[in-house]
Amino acid sequence: TQLLEQSPQFLSIQEGENLTVYCNSSSVFSSLQWYRQEPGEGPVLLVTVVTGGEVKKLKRLTFQFGDARKDSSLHITAAQPGDTGLYLCAGHLYNDYKLSFGAGTTVTVRA
Amino acid sequence: DTAVSQTPKYLVTQMGNDKSIKCEQNLGHDTMYWYKQDSKKFLKIMFSYNNKELIINETVPNRFSPKSPDKAHLNLHINSLELGDSAVYFCASSYAVGNTEAFFGQGTRLTVV
Repeated sequence: TQLLEQSPQFLSIQEGENLTVYCNSSSVFSSLQWYRQEPGEGPVLLVTVVTGGEVKKLKRLTFQFGDARKDSSLHITAAQPGDTGLYLCAGHLYNDYKLSFGAGTTVTVRA
Repeated sequence: DTAVSQTPKYLVTQMGNDKSIKCEQNLGHDTMYWYKQDSKKFLKIMFSYNNKELIINETVPNRFSPKSPDKAHLNLHINSLELGDSAVYFCASSYAVGNTEAFFGQGTRLTVV
């Protein structure tokens, strides 16, 4: 079983629509990160959230860390084809060196 | 300037062969990692080194042996390759262990035939 469960696994939307990707766990994390990975490339960090209830915005992307530090969401407003990619959440448990990844959400934005 | 570079990008080899993947980072980071990404895109950590010392060693067959000659390099040697070893292997680095951003290389797509 995976520590972090992401949903949905696949998401295909039209340009201009909004989308939300979820990352859930039964464990408490000291921090959660979101990465985006494009084909043939390694994941690139988008954001790190460290405080329960924290909301961070990165242009059209909004990231939220749950109050209980067990879940996070990524919301994209007015999606564009350039947002297409694999979105991965990852987190550190307390006192754990390991960065554990979710299985990812493949987002396709059609022009 | 590439921050984390790994070579080769593609590697096709026969079962039973031994192969190595090299990784170098020029970010001055103390910690380096090897991750394996399977066909379903799931990223799983294999090893981590901090200042040349092994700190994470997940349940990985002992055919896989990491080597860190200095803190800027972490190589992965694989003996007696098997079909199931086919995957994309990513090297990454971070400033320190714990809650810090991981910088990934471009990946090495290993295909065992």
